[in-house]
Amino acid sequence: AQTVTQSQPEMSVQEAETVTLSCTYDTSESDYYLFWYKQPPSRQMILVIRQEAYKQQNATENRFSVNFQKAAKSFSLKISDSQLGDAAMYFCAYNNNDMRFGAGTRLTVKP
Amino acid sequence: KAGVTQTPRYLIKTRGQQVTLSCSPISGHRSVSWYQQTPGQGLQFLFEYFSETQRNKGNFPGRFSGRQFSNSRSEMNVSTLELGDSALYLCASSWGLAGGRYEQFFGPGTRLTVL
Repeated sequence: AQTVTQSQPEMSVQEAETVTLSCTYDTSESDYYLFWYKQPPSRQMILVIRQEAYKQQNATENRFSVNFQKAAKSFSLKISDSQLGDAAMYFCAYNNNDMRFGAGTRLTVKP
Repeated sequence: KAGVTQTPRYLIKTRGQQVTLSCSPISGHRSVSWYQQTPGQGLQFLFEYFSETQRNKGNFPGRFSGRQFSNSRSEMNVSTLELGDSALYLCASSWGLAGGRYEQFFGPGTRLTVL
C-alpha cells in the first residue's frame, strides 16, 4: 500500500523568510501524481502545487516550488517570501488510483 | 463558477442513528470523492463516484455507503453511527476520474458529531 510520511508535525517561519516542508512516500508504481494541499483554519482544502511523476522538472507556482526526487521518493515544498496568509496545515498527497494523504505539517508564520 | 457545496455544514447525531450527507460538485464535474478527516487517523479516502458508478473504495466498513445522481450530485450515508464516526467529511469534485490527472476541488466539509 502506498503511504505518505510528513515527518514535521509543526514548522515555524519568520515572515518574508523561506521554509521547506518535507514529504516522503512509498510506492511501487512508476506513474503517479503528487500534491501539496493547504488547509487554513476555515477548513477548506486548497491545492497549492501538483507534480506529475513522469516529469523530471520540478513544479513551481509563484512563491511555491517543489523538490521532487523520484528515486528517493521525496517531495518537499519550499515556500519563499512567507506571508502571514501562508499559515495553515499543509498536506502532502499521493495519487495513483486514490488519494493518500500525509499526517500534515502545521505551519506558523511569525510577523 | 460556484464551488463545491456540502450540506449540512454541521450535524449532531447519537449512536445507532444513521446520517446522510450531501455534496454538489462544481458544474460540469463528473467525479465526486469523499474523505474522512479525524485528528487520530488524518485524512482518509472513502470512495469515488463517476458517472453514477462507484469507481474506487477506501478501507471502510460497509456502514459507509454512497451514491451519485445523474446530475453528479452525491450523497454519503453512514448507518448505525459509532462514536468514532465523529469527523469532518470532505467532498471533492473533479472533471474526470481523480487519478491525479484532474485537479480535485474540495468543499468546506460537514462536521459530524456522534454523541
